[in-house]
Amino acid sequence: DVKVTQSSRYLVKRTGEKVFLECVQDMDHENMFWYRQDPGLGLRLIYFSYDVKMKEKGDIPEGYSVSREKKERFSLILESASTNQTSMYLCASSLSGDPSPGNTIYFGEGSWLTVV
Amino acid sequence: AQKITQTQPGMFVQEKEAVTLDCTYDTSDPSYGLFWYKQPSSGEMIFLIYQGSYDQQNATEGRYSLNFQKARKSANLVISASQLGDSAMYFCAMREGHYSGNTPLVFGKGTRLSVIA
Repeated sequence: DVKVTQSSRYLVKRTGEKVFLECVQDMDHENMFWYRQDPGLGLRLIYFSYDVKMKEKGDIPEGYSVSREKKERFSLILESASTNQTSMYLCASSLSGDPSPGNTIYFGEGSWLTVV
Repeated sequence: AQKITQTQPGMFVQEKEAVTLDCTYDTSDPSYGLFWYKQPSSGEMIFLIYQGSYDQQNATEGRYSLNFQKARKSANLVISASQLGDSAMYFCAMREGHYSGNTPLVFGKGTRLSVIA
């Protein structure tokens, strides 16, 4: 089974802190994603990466950066956390290529971040 | 512009009845895939069913089926014989194909389904 592991399930951070959310996948997937989920807004894409050291901005990249130094690991960084970044963060991975039944996207369990 | 629209923020259904969750999408790419995910209160995202734009038949997976109407750009999820464990958030999502390059999944805002005993 594909496994996408997010390092922290629940975090509480102070405003202004630098926050790292780590994600590791074990299926040699090319693509990795970070989404943010808020009530009534669904999942919004922050950043994605289709290869090591490559990154693409999603719909809401402001206030975030990412790092992908190894294929299996994709990190989300909040340089200076703010209260409006309190949310649930979901990491995901998939194979590259055209959409197909076997090319679905697999999610981690989510990281609930509270910024106080 | 919204690429995925789910117009039902919340739905109720009686146990053992069928329910349809609506999803419309917008794309100009002839190649795309449509996905439905279930998210229980625990937060995990569970993949339910997939429909490709070139698929001739509607997708089915157990109690889940997808009512795919390509001309209307709709991909409604039908859950038959609802169970209490079906209570969750349901998300429709789309990934555009090779004409759009290596693209991520785009999600709708979700529908919260509550199954009543």
